[in-house]
Amino acid sequence: EAQVTQNPRYLITVTGKKLTVTCSQNMNHEYMSWYRQDPGLGLRQIYYSMNVEVTDKGDVPEGYKVSRKEKRNFPLILESPSPNQTSLYFCASSLLGGETQYFGPGTRLLVL
Amino acid sequence: AQKITQTQPGMFVQEKEAVTLDCTYDTSDQSYGLFWYKQPSSGEMIFLIYQGSYDEQNATEGRYSLNFQKARKSANLVISASQLGDSAMYFCAMREGYNQGGKLIFGQGTELSVKP
Repeated sequence: EAQVTQNPRYLITVTGKKLTVTCSQNMNHEYMSWYRQDPGLGLRQIYYSMNVEVTDKGDVPEGYKVSRKEKRNFPLILESPSPNQTSLYFCASSLLGGETQYFGPGTRLLVL
Repeated sequence: AQKITQTQPGMFVQEKEAVTLDCTYDTSDQSYGLFWYKQPSSGEMIFLIYQGSYDEQNATEGRYSLNFQKARKSANLVISASQLGDSAMYFCAMREGYNQGGKLIFGQGTELSVKP
């Protein structure tokens, strides 16, 4: 089954404790992206990658890091999480210029 | 300037009736794509329908159709024969230019409630 998986689905952590949210897709997509969703603000892009070892900032990259060492994986790293990073996070993937962008199930993060 | 505008924060529709969710967009690109996603209360983002800027016909997927009016820069979603399971948040999104890979710009969403 074609899918994007994210782990964990739910996470409660404390300020400053490094965490990683994993994302994996099985569709051989070149393009992968991370979004955060906040009430009243819709979804905003954090980082994206157009292929292995090619990553770039989206609209709200501060406080986040990513890596793309393999085509299927695109982890999101919060090196020192803060409460303003409490949000719902989505990973997504597509073919370059594709007509469908597939989303993972989302990760709800609470930073205390 | 907001690139995707959804002017209806919330809407109600009677079961089995049709409903139109509004979306206007702003871009100077000639090549772009328009998407609609559904987000139920469980939180996942479900792809509904896609319209390319060069597509001459309106996209349709089952009960969903996209009313694409290029000159007015609007891409309204029409849901026919609403069902209780259609109650959800709906997001309109745009991808500018194929060369940018896939970044989607989202509107703020419309919450649809279907009444029995």
